[in-house]
Amino acid sequence: NAGVMQNPRHLVRRRGQEARLRCSPMKGHSHVYWYRQLPEEGLKFMVYLQKENIIDESGMPKERFSAEFPKEGPSILRIQQVVRGDSAAYFCASPRGGRGMQETQYFGPGTRLLVL
Amino acid sequence: DQQVKQNSPSLSVQEGRISILNCDYTNSMFDYFLWYKKYPAEGPTFLISISSIKDKNEDGRFTVFLNKSAKHLSLHIVPSQPGDSAVYFCAASASGATNKLIFGTGTLLAVQP
Repeated sequence: NAGVMQNPRHLVRRRGQEARLRCSPMKGHSHVYWYRQLPEEGLKFMVYLQKENIIDESGMPKERFSAEFPKEGPSILRIQQVVRGDSAAYFCASPRGGRGMQETQYFGPGTRLLVL
Repeated sequence: DQQVKQNSPSLSVQEGRISILNCDYTNSMFDYFLWYKKYPAEGPTFLISISSIKDKNEDGRFTVFLNKSAKHLSLHIVPSQPGDSAVYFCAASASGATNKLIFGTGTLLAVQP
C-alpha cells in the first residue's frame, strides 16, 4: 500500500481503556486522513491532518476521540474510554497530489480494534 | 445521507467474462471518482480513477465509465479472473481544501473458476 504504515495491526482493549493507533504516511508526505470501517459498512472519513495541524475533523465523534500529527513521529488517533461500539477497522491514508487538486489516497493496512 | 451508493451488495461472474460494478452518487460537487479493491484484513488498494472532465478511463483490464448527467459510474473488469474476487468500493471527492473521500458500502465480487 505505497508505504503507508499502521500499527498495531490488531488491538484488543477492555471497555474504559484507551486505544492509541499510529500511522506513518508515505515517506516525505505530511498529510494523513483517518477513516473508520464499522462491520458491514463502507469506510467513513474521520479526520484530515497535516503536520501539527488539524485541517478537517468533521467526521470525528464529539467525545473521546482525538487525533494529532506532531512535527516528529507518526500520526496518532486516540480513543479514550473505549466502548464496544468503537470496535472497527481504522485506516489511514496518504494522499498523492497537491492540496486543493484532485488526488489519490493510498491506504495503510489498518488497525483492527476489538473492545471486549 | 448516503451520498455514494452501491446498490448491489454482491456479484458473481464466471472466469473470463465481464464484471460490471455500479455506483451512483447524489452530490453534484463531486469531481473525482475512484475505485478501490479490498481483501479481508487488508487496507483498500487503489485501482483506477476518473476526473469529471472525462467519461472513460482505461487501465489494462479495468475501465471506469462516468455518466455525469445520471450521476452514475461503473467499473468494468474484462476478462474477470479468480484473483479479482474481493470487495470493491467506489469513492468520490470534491476538489477543495480537504479532498476527503466519501465511500459507497461496497460490492463483493466473486469470480467463479
